[in-house]
Amino acid sequence: DAMVIQNPRYQVTQFGKPVTLSCSQTLNHNVMYWYQQKSSQAPKLLFHYYDKDFNNEADTPDNFQSRRPNTSFCFLDIRSPGLGDAAMYLCATSRAGEGRDTQYFGPGTRLTVL
Amino acid sequence: ILNVEQSPQSLHVQEGDSTNFTCSFPSSNFYALHWYRWETAKSPEALFVMTLNGDEKKKGRISATLNTKEGYSYLYIKGSQPEDSATYLCAFRITGNQFYFGTGTSLTVIP
Repeated sequence: DAMVIQNPRYQVTQFGKPVTLSCSQTLNHNVMYWYQQKSSQAPKLLFHYYDKDFNNEADTPDNFQSRRPNTSFCFLDIRSPGLGDAAMYLCATSRAGEGRDTQYFGPGTRLTVL
Repeated sequence: ILNVEQSPQSLHVQEGDSTNFTCSFPSSNFYALHWYRWETAKSPEALFVMTLNGDEKKKGRISATLNTKEGYSYLYIKGSQPEDSATYLCAFRITGNQFYFGTGTSLTVIP
């Protein structure tokens, strides 16, 4: 089935050690999003790609970067993870204009920072 | 940052009960309101996209209404079943691919 895949599902890293989370999709959607959800909080949009155009939310820390080498893949890089970056990271995709941009989500990667 | 509020935060109901919860959002710059269901260990799943004031959507036993003028949406579940247990998220959309989520309502249906 077409879907959004996130790897790994669980990631443990050390304080300050760079980590990369990956997302892939078989839906051929042109928009991809990264959200951060901390415990008991709402998912917060970090950034999104509209095709190759990168759109960063104003309050996303510089510590977070993203790459989209092709339509199917998108990566979230955390350059120097801090304890406060422990969270669930959700990737989502949509086709611009379709269903008012209904988003299709992956299962998330839960990041632990030691 | 736009404030989207969901209430109640959590809910326990008996199997067969009907229930409803609320999503409140700013009444300006409205583009769409999305509802998602998120079961534990699974991906959030889209339920409804609502765009017009007065919209009503239905999917099986689940329905939703929208009031954009006063900034709220209700989600109703008729005859709750254990498989309805999940977190229900709403997301307020303004233009420019910007989505603002609520913290969700966690529903537990007790058999």
